[in-house]
Amino acid sequence: NAGVTQTPKFQVLKTGQSMTLQCAQDMNHEYMSWYRQDPGMGLRLIHYSVGAGITDQGEVPNGYNVSRSTTEDFPLRLLSAAPSQTSVYFCASSYSLAEQTDTQYFGPGTRLTVL
Amino acid sequence: AQSVSQHNHHVILSEAASLELGCNYSYGGTVNLFWYVQYPGQHLQLLLKYFSGDPLVKGIKGFEAEFIKSKFSFNLRKPSVQWSDTAEYFCAVNDIGTYKYIFGTGTRLKVLA
Repeated sequence: NAGVTQTPKFQVLKTGQSMTLQCAQDMNHEYMSWYRQDPGMGLRLIHYSVGAGITDQGEVPNGYNVSRSTTEDFPLRLLSAAPSQTSVYFCASSYSLAEQTDTQYFGPGTRLTVL
Repeated sequence: AQSVSQHNHHVILSEAASLELGCNYSYGGTVNLFWYVQYPGQHLQLLLKYFSGDPLVKGIKGFEAEFIKSKFSFNLRKPSVQWSDTAEYFCAVNDIGTYKYIFGTGTRLKVLA
């Protein structure tokens, strides 16, 4: 298993540009999520999904869209990038929602800079 | 709103010293509790988790944590740290019923050889 993969690893955007951060997992996990990590602020939940076709907002959803058309993929879209979105983005997945005790597996992260 | 507080932002210890990292959460309902670690240049990975039963939980690499419900705390401990424990440590709470995980701001631990 490749686990959780993210592309790209690094990206530089200009203000107003759009892009999609890709996330995929090959573990047949139901739950997937996106976080941003900023210095001194830890990880903050952007959006999450409890299964194909089902998504919901986390703590900091503004400026980001997600969709979950398949179990494997959970892309994060920035419609109009802003400098405040400069961050490291992590995707994570976990197997079962039945008891919500399952470990989250994290991807390697995408470092995004918005100029 | 739910929150997770990690009191120590930066900790520097010498090898063989004992470690305790504080974690408090604010939420009155039932939660699951986690400690994750991020070694330099690596993914976040699970150290240990608590969801029920014995409040003293043992994890990988000699780490343990104690859940004290009355204090809303889940402190991480290790009796004797090693240089290889240098990393950033995150406490997290999972609110049962909402599928949301809330992370603390993290503690950067540096262990001097």
